[in-house]
Amino acid sequence: EVVLTQSPGTLSLSPGEGATLSCRASQTISISYLAWYQQKPGQAPRLLIYGASGRATGIPDRFSGSGSGTDFTLTISRLEPEDFAVYYCQYYGSSRYTFGQGTKLEIK
Amino acid sequence: QVQLQESGPGLVKPSETLALTCTVSGGSVSGGGHYWSWIRQPPGEGPEWIGYIHHSGGTNYKPSLKSRVTISIDTSKNQFSLRLTSVTAADTAIYYCARDGGFSPQLEYWGQGALVTVSS
Repeated sequence: EVVLTQSPGTLSLSPGEGATLSCRASQTISISYLAWYQQKPGQAPRLLIYGASGRATGIPDRFSGSGSGTDFTLTISRLEPEDFAVYYCQYYGSSRYTFGQGTKLEIK
Repeated sequence: QVQLQESGPGLVKPSETLALTCTVSGGSVSGGGHYWSWIRQPPGEGPEWIGYIHHSGGTNYKPSLKSRVTISIDTSKNQFSLRLTSVTAADTAIYYCARDGGFSPQLEYWGQGALVTVSS
């Protein structure tokens, strides 16, 4: 079973700064099946990135995904106030979904 | 625009069965070859996938929950449902229903979630 480990657990930044969030898989995974979600308090997760680097419909271009093998990154350039939330990576493999434990992006 | 809405009891007693329904609007559970999932999220934790169903009735469950979970689909009502038996306090969570992208597995559409508390 693939385990996804996200780092850091909490990231404290200011609006306007850039953010780099990491997701490491316990084994090599296909980029086609790696996604990122944003979750705000009281809301369901929202799809941001699919296939490691494809932006979902309506997602601003300040969000970008990259990576391959076991290491994947979500980058947010120029943080906006609405970007402060929890972010999860997710993998689909062997007919099941696995989520990382999340990175909380908080205002410094 | 596809919309999903969970419904069911918010309080379940220990050892009893949790039952939730997801009603789909703006799309058909029968169309597009989609897989319809249930995901839960305990308070303060990350999401946990429970299982999914295809309109053909094919299912797949998280191995650690498989013995207690049943997901079913009712195409006439455009709904799919979750049953989780022998619940304990560890099953207390927000339960979400969701739909994949069709040709790709990312979870594109989510319901707003339903909090289920297991307590006597």
